Amino acid sequence: KQEVTQIPAALSVPEGENLVLNCSFTDSAIYNLQWFRQDPGKGLTSLLLIQSSQREQTSGRLNASLDKSSGRSTLYIAASQPGDSATYLCAVRPRTTDSWGKLQFGAGTQVVVTP
Amino acid sequence: DTAVSQTPKYLVTQMGNDKSIKCEQNLGHDTMYWYKQDSKKFLKIMFSYNNKELIINETVPNRFSPKSPDKAHLNLHINSLELGDSAVYFCASSPPGDLTQETQYFGPGTRLLVL
Repeated sequence: KQEVTQIPAALSVPEGENLVLNCSFTDSAIYNLQWFRQDPGKGLTSLLLIQSSQREQTSGRLNASLDKSSGRSTLYIAASQPGDSATYLCAVRPRTTDSWGKLQFGAGTQVVVTP
Repeated sequence: DTAVSQTPKYLVTQMGNDKSIKCEQNLGHDTMYWYKQDSKKFLKIMFSYNNKELIINETVPNRFSPKSPDKAHLNLHINSLELGDSAVYFCASSPPGDLTQETQYFGPGTRLLVL
């Protein structure tokens, strides 16, 4: 059974520091992995999607890596800003016969960037 | 321009009542989902409809019944509400294509509190 774990559960950094968020999953049979951002009282916003054949994806200050064989993904946010404060969720899409786009989420890392 | 919208945003009700949550997307997507986020922040899929057909039905009590009158709407009806149903319910949609590859777009959530 696939399990997705995110460590740490919470993180506080001063503005300007780089953020490193970790995600691990127990079954490497996945189609892809996604990172989402969740703001309080709002829905999820997709940040990056990495296919199982890819090693990393980049978008602006965000870079996500994927090591499928070891079951790990890392989200790097360069030069953090107070506006980056949010909860970051990773989700894998299991490669199963009944996947149908099903996403399996971790519990998230709550990030606070202090001015 | 709201992409995925949910009503109501907040719902407070008594145990034993029946309630509905509505979801609409104006993105022209074919597939819609319901997720439940519990107090530990885990997001778990409940149902998915593709072109008004049920394709994912996780182990959810049969008190929960989704209904999709058309591709743009997926409503969730809950009978005989229990305390454990208190959670945030998110609706999501994804574009036509390979459901194992497409990203999902989330609504803002409906916060349900059962007293």
